[in-house]
Amino acid sequence: AQKVTQTQTSISVMEKTTVTMDCVYETRDSSYFLFWYKQTASGEIVFLIRQDSYKKENATEGHYSLNFQKPKSSIGLIITATQIEDSAVYFCAMRDLTGANTGKLTFGHGTILRVHP
Amino acid sequence: DPKIIQKPKYLVAVTGSEKILICEQYLGHNAMYWYRQSAKKPLEFMFSYSYQKLMDNQTASSRFQPQSSKKNHLDLQITALKPDDSATYFCASSQDTGAPISNERLFFGHGTKLSVL
Repeated sequence: AQKVTQTQTSISVMEKTTVTMDCVYETRDSSYFLFWYKQTASGEIVFLIRQDSYKKENATEGHYSLNFQKPKSSIGLIITATQIEDSAVYFCAMRDLTGANTGKLTFGHGTILRVHP
Repeated sequence: DPKIIQKPKYLVAVTGSEKILICEQYLGHNAMYWYRQSAKKPLEFMFSYSYQKLMDNQTASSRFQPQSSKKNHLDLQITALKPDDSATYFCASSQDTGAPISNERLFFGHGTKLSVL
């Protein structure tokens, strides 16, 4: 069965530093998609970045990038030059063939990021 | 302006009652979803619809019934409410490409926070 695990419950960093959030996943499928979302204090859930399993190069989007290690079933999120407004809960999610024709995403529990001035 | 509108934002109900959670999306998407976020649990997939047809149902209880009167509407009716149903319910949408699985991101509404007393 598909599973997404985020072991870090919370992380605190100083503003303008780089932070990495871990995520490991389980799937039997050779083709799958990995996503990171952010949930702000207001509860809004926003898409950040995506990695397609068949792509070797790590995805980047603004000050977000991914560290995709397929042999380890790992997809870390890297945020560079963190800002106060990056404080939020970050969710890793996966879509594989279990969600075929349904669009289903399986989410991790989330990592709370606190950015301090 | 929000592109996915959920009503109401907050909802308090008594045990045993019935409530309907409203969702409308104005993104032109043909796939819509319901997810539930409970305390200490990850975002859980509940239902997916594509072109107003049910694609997947991962809820164990028939007390949860989605209703799609229009392509851009997906309401959620919950009957015989229980305190365990207390959660924030998120509606989401995406563009269904017709592929078995796709890398399309989900767009989320702001959620309806349901409290069952």
